Amino acid sequence: KAGVTQTPRYLIKTRGQQVTLSCSPISGHRSVSWYQQTPGQGLQFLFEYFSETQRNKGNFPGRFSGRQFSNSRSEMNVSTLELGDSALYLCASSWDGAQATNEKLFFGSGTQLSVL
Amino acid sequence: QQPVQSPQAVILREGEDAVINCSSSKALYSVHWYRQKHGEAPVFLMILLKGGEQKGHEKISASFNEKKQQSSLYLTASQLSYSGTYFCGTEAGANNLFFGTGTRLTVIP
Repeated sequence: KAGVTQTPRYLIKTRGQQVTLSCSPISGHRSVSWYQQTPGQGLQFLFEYFSETQRNKGNFPGRFSGRQFSNSRSEMNVSTLELGDSALYLCASSWDGAQATNEKLFFGSGTQLSVL
Repeated sequence: QQPVQSPQAVILREGEDAVINCSSSKALYSVHWYRQKHGEAPVFLMILLKGGEQKGHEKISASFNEKKQQSSLYLTASQLSYSGTYFCGTEAGANNLFFGTGTRLTVIP
């Protein structure tokens, strides 16, 4: 069974640009969560999608958005990039998300975004 | 809602033990533990549900005290392969998981 796939692996952008990251969950998984990882802040929750609907959202500005398609693949978009957006963006999938309380997350290797 | 982990970093020699703590200001439904090796994705270790149960994974075990809203991860007889950053994730009933800032564990020969 293929794992969680994130593309691209690395991305370099300049301030003001926008970026779209992609995540393909494990086959059969319906929940996709996105996290921002930085050295000082650890894993910060961005949002979670389930069956094409955003079910939960973290405390990030509206420049961060996402969507999920009918095949459960998810994209995350960041508009008007700022230097502070430089981070590793991880997505994680599970069958039903944390709602099941005993669901473990399967993480992708992430997209390393550098904003210059 | 982000849980607090301590210590932030720890260095061990092979065979030594370590404890990583995770605490939350909110009532918890469950606590998750993950380990991330450098340059790799976080990998699931275990989930603890309400009930104060203790679970184990090889020589790594954990406890969950929901009254104190705390969890501890115990690493006994550490091996070089235990090196990495350990994250606890807490679920406070909002159907999402908030992770702590991580504890960097380094095991040296």
